[in-house]
Amino acid sequence: DVQLVESGGGFVQPGGSLSLSCAGSGFTFSDYAMSWVRLAPGKGLEWVSAISGSAGGTFYADSVQGRFTISRDNFKNTLSLHMKSLRFEDTAVYFCAKGRQDAWTDRILEHWGQGILVTVSS
Amino acid sequence: DIQMTQFPASLSAPIGDSVTITCRASQNIRSYLNWYQHKPGAAPRLLIFDAYTLQSGVPSRFRGGGSGTEFSLTISSLQPEDSATYYCLETYSVSITFGQGTRLEIK
Repeated sequence: DVQLVESGGGFVQPGGSLSLSCAGSGFTFSDYAMSWVRLAPGKGLEWVSAISGSAGGTFYADSVQGRFTISRDNFKNTLSLHMKSLRFEDTAVYFCAKGRQDAWTDRILEHWGQGILVTVSS
Repeated sequence: DIQMTQFPASLSAPIGDSVTITCRASQNIRSYLNWYQHKPGAAPRLLIFDAYTLQSGVPSRFRGGGSGTEFSLTISSLQPEDSATYYCLETYSVSITFGQGTRLEIK
């Protein structure tokens, strides 16, 4: 069975940095695009970023472009999201999700983790 | 950017009833529309992809329809476990966009 487990969340001050990880198992990690999606308190789901299976392509929402960096280690089956210059509005539960193909062309998020909370607060 | 307008924002219906949730895209997205179910504390679950294709393991009570700019998710024979928030998601653009969500309460 596909499993995605996020880690690395917590409290951070505005302007600070934090890195999230997502460990994937039950599938050939390098064969699939991966993505991050977040759910802020009282709001709906928001797509954050995606990366192709080969890590040849990375994609970002305008709201995080230039502040967040997505990466992956296909040897360790791990997806990462490095977040800097964090703002109050980045407070959310962050989910990692698996695509159905290597490239970010299908864009169907088939499996998701349970999420990890990031709180930006002073 | 594509905007997705989803409505209603919330609804309540008794067990056994049917409900329909609608999503409207700001431009033609052909059939690049998915539906997700999300319960608090859980992983979101893919229900429907490509507008009307049922994801494996999803009960046939869930039905998707539409194309272009208008889409719907119909849930029939409502069960207590259908209580959740439902989201549409357009996958036409590189920067995919969710609808605002519909909270469904089962009475």
